[in-house]
Amino acid sequence: DAKTTQPPSMDCAEGRAANLPCNHSTISGNEYVYWYRQIHSQGPQYIIHGLKNNETNEMASLIITEDRKSSTLILPHATLRDTAVYYCIVRASNTGNQFYFGTGTSLTVIP
Amino acid sequence: DAGVIQSPRHEVTEMGQEVTLRCKPISGHDYLFWYRQTMMRGLELLIYFNNNVPIDDSGMPEDRFSAKMPNASFSTLKIQPSEPRDSAVYFCASSSGRKAFFGQGTRLTVV
Repeated sequence: DAKTTQPPSMDCAEGRAANLPCNHSTISGNEYVYWYRQIHSQGPQYIIHGLKNNETNEMASLIITEDRKSSTLILPHATLRDTAVYYCIVRASNTGNQFYFGTGTSLTVIP
Repeated sequence: DAGVIQSPRHEVTEMGQEVTLRCKPISGHDYLFWYRQTMMRGLELLIYFNNNVPIDDSGMPEDRFSAKMPNASFSTLKIQPSEPRDSAVYFCASSSGRKAFFGQGTRLTVV
């Protein structure tokens, strides 16, 4: 079952940073926060994941609050190709490797 | 690596017919997942395998659905008999631990 809450939709101007929030107030100490996105019915694509420290890769940054009850995915310079549904997933690494997807946030990047 | 390969990409069949969806995971991955996506229910985990063994099939909707993984490089999801409500996009994903990689999906239409 999804253990996260995300806004259903967001808009972002092209070239600006897109900040996508996620609440996971019941997260356990051994659970990671993952972000995936799905572009127009393609298969979901891995973006980034983290446990408690902030993480950055070539696609995005992940900011996790100190109490780990929420996080923010940051796309630093959004492009039209970033228009997609973004899923925040909480997952423990020691109880099976399955991913449970919620409803996600539909991000629209506006020219 | 070519990624997770699913076939066919599109399938149209008549109600009552048997349908077989195929998946080739990424070489070296020891987890394989089958998901179904519909507008009403989003992305649902149907079943997953570890080292070719089914671990959790609690998401399989009913006995008409079955999945097999005869070896590390191949899995099938079979629906017999198919019904119009089985129309959906079916995704296969594979993982070796932290990240899961998804195929492009099979769009199934049962008429």
